[in-house]
Amino acid sequence: SQQGEEDPQALSIQEGENATMNCSYKTSINNLQWYRQNSGRGLVHLILIRSNEREKHSGRLRVTLDTSKKSSSLLITASRAADTASYFCATGVDRGSTLGRLYFGRGTQLTVWP
Amino acid sequence: DAGVTQSPTHLIKTRGQQVTLRCSPKSGHDTVSWYQQALGQGPQFIFQYYEEEERQRGNFPDRFSGHQFPNYSSELNVNALLLGDSALYLCASSLAESEYEQYFGPGTRLTVT
Repeated sequence: SQQGEEDPQALSIQEGENATMNCSYKTSINNLQWYRQNSGRGLVHLILIRSNEREKHSGRLRVTLDTSKKSSSLLITASRAADTASYFCATGVDRGSTLGRLYFGRGTQLTVWP
Repeated sequence: DAGVTQSPTHLIKTRGQQVTLRCSPKSGHDTVSWYQQALGQGPQFIFQYYEEEERQRGNFPDRFSGHQFPNYSSELNVNALLLGDSALYLCASSLAESEYEQYFGPGTRLTVT
């Protein structure tokens, strides 16, 4: 079964608004990453947050991690039409036999209207 | 600095055929992982190669096999294709000591008819 699950499945906003996506996972993790995918092509790495970190920023992106609730959120501020894409969270599980394997959720489809 | 490259971009095969997909990792990377992404789903881990050996494997049948070459490039082979093998196949590369920071290629879209 997939480790991470994003919420909502779809999000539609206007340019300039903020977009918030959430991710929940089931087991203890080493890290959590967010990726973007445009039109079914390759994944673009956005940000990695380690299990001992609570918040991380990168440009217009802000990621939080709450390991007690096994959840993470991705905030995109001042969204643009070019941010329209699918967003996936992926967890790196801290078990020796699966070291380096990423577990993905089904993603959130974000649509930003001009 | 070249990123991860994959070939071909698109491929159409018939049920029962065999297919080989290719991946060249990002310069300096030594570990290659393969993922399958069905339409509307997130990527699913197939297997990972390091030092020319399969280091770990996901829940995929033996019809899926791979290989890593001395230059770290990799191939994914799928035998006896099924309709359900239609998907986007993604290759990701990383450094062994930084295994979680994976860089993905553009993918190969496989359609089985």
